[in-house]
Amino acid sequence: GAVVSQHPSRVICKSGTSVKIECRSLDFQATTMFWYRQFPKQSLMLMATSNEGSKATYEQGVEKDKFLINHASLTLSTLTVTSAHPEDSSFYICSATAWTGWKDEQYFGPGTRLTVT
Amino acid sequence: GENVEQHPSTLSVQEGDSAVIKCTYSDSASNYFPWYKQELGKGPQLIIDIRSNVGEKKDQRIAVTLNKTAKHFSLHITETQPEDSAVYFCAASIGSGGGADGLTFGKGTHLIIQP
Repeated sequence: GAVVSQHPSRVICKSGTSVKIECRSLDFQATTMFWYRQFPKQSLMLMATSNEGSKATYEQGVEKDKFLINHASLTLSTLTVTSAHPEDSSFYICSATAWTGWKDEQYFGPGTRLTVT
Repeated sequence: GENVEQHPSTLSVQEGDSAVIKCTYSDSASNYFPWYKQELGKGPQLIIDIRSNVGEKKDQRIAVTLNKTAKHFSLHITETQPEDSAVYFCAASIGSGGGADGLTFGKGTHLIIQP
């Protein structure tokens, strides 16, 4: 099946700094990628929809100036958490849309654990 | 927006028995309903999905049923095995379904298979 990777898998940063997380579709091109956030023992919450070559669409309550999304190519989307604070510590997961031959399907990356100290 | 409720939050069954997890959704426009399995520290993996034009779908030990009138769908796992232990999430999507739209997830069910 389609493979989605994320880098880094874990990152620890100091409060006030920025962190960039990469999401790559390894063996397919993805016109649409999604970013989710998951707090411990909770569900995944959609943060934004990222379309190649256009601005991301953010869900209500998600600050677009804090969570910068760039989808520069059909295989790469990046999420930058700017001026990170401890409350931004979370598990960030991306997904990418792949055409299976008869339907679109979302494939998820392994996630990135962000800890802000 | 869409709201997905999932029950139970924790389910413990004996190895070999069946497990059933139930979800309800609020938006009648939703027409794509996937189920994901998530192991600790990993991203979710799709295990089965169903679209609104189908009432039931089966893949080996896993089946999903959908009742559009009642707006609920269920995951059934038969002959459970220790490797089935994980957190399971249901989700719903509005639109053409599948990969074009973001998913609204349920809160998850921690399935524990007792040996």
